[in-house]
Amino acid sequence: AQKVTQAQTEISVVEKEDVTLDCVYETRDTTYYLFWYKQPPSGELVFLIRRNSFDEQNEISGRYSWNFQKSTSSFNFTITASQVVDSAVYFCALRGGTDKLIFGTGTRLQVFP
Amino acid sequence: GAVVSQHPSWVICKSGTSVKIECRSLDFQATTMFWYRQFPKQSLMLMATSNEGSKATYEQGVEKDKFLINHASLTLSTLTVTSAHPEDSSFYICSAKRPYGSHAGELFFGEGSRLTVL
Repeated sequence: AQKVTQAQTEISVVEKEDVTLDCVYETRDTTYYLFWYKQPPSGELVFLIRRNSFDEQNEISGRYSWNFQKSTSSFNFTITASQVVDSAVYFCALRGGTDKLIFGTGTRLQVFP
Repeated sequence: GAVVSQHPSWVICKSGTSVKIECRSLDFQATTMFWYRQFPKQSLMLMATSNEGSKATYEQGVEKDKFLINHASLTLSTLTVTSAHPEDSSFYICSAKRPYGSHAGELFFGEGSRLTVL
C-alpha cells in the first residue's frame, strides 16, 4: 500500500521566516515519484517539483528547496524568507508503479505580514 | 497556459438533479485521465481512472452508478454526478496523463470544479 503523511496540519509564520513542510511516504515500489503541489485559495493545483526515486540530490529553486532522503522515506520542502503570497495549502504526493497519484493530507501555511 | 481545462468551474444545482463536469486536454491526447474529489480543508481523494474507449476504473468506496465517467474521445472525459445530494457538494479535479513528448508521463491538472448541491 502507498501512503503519504504530512504531520503538520497548519503552520503559521511571520514574513521572512524560513519554514519547512514535512512529508513522509510509504511504498513497496522500487521506482516511484514524489511531488509537491501548492493549492492557493482559488483551488487550482500548482505543480512545484517532481523527484524520482533514483535521484536523491537536493534541489533548490529560488526560495524553495527540497530534501529527499530515502533512508527516512522523507521528502521535505523548505521555503526560505517566506512571503505572504506563499500562504496556501501544500500537498506532497506519491506515484508508484501505477499512474495513480496519492496525496498527503496537506499542510496549510499562513504567512503573516 | 492551461493544458487541461475543466468546465464548469463552479455549479450550483438542486438536490435530485444531475450535473456533468467536463475535463479536456488542450494540447495533447490523453488516453488516461483521473478524477479526484476534495472536501473542504481535506486532501484530494482519487475517485476513478478514466480510460479512453473503455470503462472507468473506480476506487474502493466510490459508487459507479452515482459518478458516471465517460471518456469518449482522446481529449475529453466527463464526470456526471447523478441525482446529486448536498453530501455530493465538493471540489472535483481532473488530471490528464501526457502520453508523449517532452513531458511524457506527467500528470496535468485542471482548474477544478466546485459543486454545490442545495
